[in-house]
Amino acid sequence: KAGVTQTPRYLIKTRGQQVTLSCSPISGHRSVSWYQQTPGQGLQFLFEYFSETQRNKGNFPGRFSGRQFSNSRSEMNVSTLELGDSALYLCASSLALTGGNGEQYFGPGTRLTVT
Amino acid sequence: ELKVEQNPLFLSMQEGKNYTIYCNYSTTSDRLYWYRQDPGKSLESLFVLLSNGAVKQEGRLMASLDTKARLSTLHITAAVHDLSATYFCAGTSRFAGNMLTFGGGTRLMVKP
Repeated sequence: KAGVTQTPRYLIKTRGQQVTLSCSPISGHRSVSWYQQTPGQGLQFLFEYFSETQRNKGNFPGRFSGRQFSNSRSEMNVSTLELGDSALYLCASSLALTGGNGEQYFGPGTRLTVT
Repeated sequence: ELKVEQNPLFLSMQEGKNYTIYCNYSTTSDRLYWYRQDPGKSLESLFVLLSNGAVKQEGRLMASLDTKARLSTLHITAAVHDLSATYFCAGTSRFAGNMLTFGGGTRLMVKP
């Protein structure tokens, strides 16, 4: 079974630009969550999508948005990039919203550098 | 709001020694996770603990959960250099789906 895939793996953007990151969950998984990892703030939850609906949202500004498609693939978008948005962005795939064995699997991440 | 704290933040140990990483959390947590992260890499799932008294073991790592004490531990037995990595615990809250709240991580260095 293929794992979670994320594209692109590396990105360099300039302040003020926008960026779109993509995540394809494990086949059959319907929940996709996004996290930002920085040395200063650690791992922080951005949002979770299940069945094309945003189910939970972390404490990030509105510049961060996402969506999920009918095939469970998810994208997140960051508009008007700031230097502080430089981070490793990770997505996690899970079978269901709750219950089950609770396993959540992470993709390889997208490393975003904002200059 | 769930808060998760790990200690120690940094752990340097000799090969062959035993040690424990502690993970305290502030409110009721449905599920408790342990992940490993190598430098520049993503998170690798180690354990998911679902109920009080749960104990899981894989190789030299053993994780346990005490929901009454709001404490999970990751015990390392006879450490080897390959275990050098950063270890994170994370919890979920009821009614918050799969949202993970992470601890700050424990950076483990195992010296030969």
